[in-house]
Amino acid sequence: SQTIHQWPATLVQPVGSPLSLECTVEGTSNPNLYWYRQAAGRGLQLLFYSVGIGQISSEVPQNLSASRPQDRQFILSSKKLLLSDSGFYLCAWSVKGSYGYTFGSGTRLTVV
Amino acid sequence: AQSVTQLDSQVPVFEEAPVELRCNYSSSVSVYLFWYVQYPNQGLQLLLKYLSGSTLVKGINGFEAEFNKSQTSFHLRKPSVHISDTAEYFCAVRALGGYQKVTFGTGTKLQVIP
Repeated sequence: SQTIHQWPATLVQPVGSPLSLECTVEGTSNPNLYWYRQAAGRGLQLLFYSVGIGQISSEVPQNLSASRPQDRQFILSSKKLLLSDSGFYLCAWSVKGSYGYTFGSGTRLTVV
Repeated sequence: AQSVTQLDSQVPVFEEAPVELRCNYSSSVSVYLFWYVQYPNQGLQLLLKYLSGSTLVKGINGFEAEFNKSQTSFHLRKPSVHISDTAEYFCAVRALGGYQKVTFGTGTKLQVIP
C-alpha cells in the first residue's frame, strides 16, 4: 500500500535560520508531489508542485524553494526563515490521472 | 482559474443534530469537487468526491454532498453528528483534464457540542 511520510512533526526555528522539510512516498512510482502551507484562517495555499524528478513549479513567489532529487522524495527549503514563514506545512501526492490527493501528517513550523 | 468559497468559518452544532457545511465554487470549465476533513494537527483526509454521474455523493463517516451545477454549489451534509466529527472541513475543486491542480476553500470548523 502507498504511504507518505513527512517530518519533522513540529519545528521551532529562529528568524534567519535555514529550513529543510522532507517528504517521501512509498508504494508508488512517478507520483505528482505537492507542498501546501496552511495559515490560520487562510485555508491551504499551494506552494510548489512537481510532476517528475527535477521538475518543480512554483505557485507563489516567496522565501522558500523546493527540490525533488529522487522520484519519491520532495524537499522544502529556505536559506533564511522569516516570521511570516510560520505555519502548518503539508506534503501531498497523487497518482497521475487520478482525482484526489493523499496528504502527509504535516509539519508545524514556528519561526521565533 | 477556479475558486472556492466557504462562507462559514465556524459552525457549532449540538450532538445528534443535522449539519450542512456550505461550499460554492467558480469555474469557467467543468470541475471535479471534493470534501476533505482535517483533525487537529493532522493532514487532510478525503471525505468524498464528485467526478460525474449522480449528483448525490456519499462519503465516509456518514457524510454526503450534493452537486448543484446551476447554483455552483457542493454542500456537505450529515443527518446526525457525533462528537468525533469535530474537525475542520475543506471544500476543493479541480478542473477536468490537464494538470491536477486542486484549489481549496478556507475551511469550516465544525464544533459539535455535547
